[in-house]
Amino acid sequence: AQSVTQLDSQVPVFEEAPVELRCNYSSSVSVYLFWYVQYPNQGLQLLLKYLSGSTLVKGINGFEAEFNKSQTSFHLRKPSVHISDTAEYFCAVADSGNTPLVFGKGTRLSVIA
Amino acid sequence: EADIYQTPRYLVIGTGKKITLECSQTMGHDKMYWYQQDPGMELHLIHYSYGVNSTEKGDLSSESTVSRIRTEHFPLTLESARPSHTSQYLCASSGPSMNTEAFFGQGTRLTVV
Repeated sequence: AQSVTQLDSQVPVFEEAPVELRCNYSSSVSVYLFWYVQYPNQGLQLLLKYLSGSTLVKGINGFEAEFNKSQTSFHLRKPSVHISDTAEYFCAVADSGNTPLVFGKGTRLSVIA
Repeated sequence: EADIYQTPRYLVIGTGKKITLECSQTMGHDKMYWYQQDPGMELHLIHYSYGVNSTEKGDLSSESTVSRIRTEHFPLTLESARPSHTSQYLCASSGPSMNTEAFFGQGTRLTVV
């Protein structure tokens, strides 16, 4: 079964600084990878997804992620964060089997003014 | 914007009461899911359905039950609420392919007193 590891439970960063949120998944022949964001008292919203093709994926709100098959990673990056990026971020993986998405435990991004 | 709705958004109820959390989607998705999430914590899959009259238990054991009589509707029921059921409950749906993302409702925050 697939598993997802988000290496950092909390990431504090100053406003306008760059940020990287790390995500590793267990190896599989083919996977589909997703990053979601959750603002307080809200559901999850899709930031971006990797299905195939270019390993650099651009998403909403200036976020991007890079798929690295050899390292089984899908790290999320933003070159300059804003206060409004403060939220919980979840990495998720689906494989070719007919099973639900598997989520990581989440990373809390706190942007400091 | 995702067309998946959960009601109520907030619910405070006494111990022993029966409750039903509603979830509806207008996207025609066959796949629907219920997740339980404590504040600031990871998501736990408690139930899912891949179509009408199909329901499965998720990774986290739950005393709740679900039904799927109509494609668009996936209610979750607790026969006798307890304080340990206090949590946020998130409903989601997804399309038929494994490479399609899940769309989330805004969640129901349940407090059992």
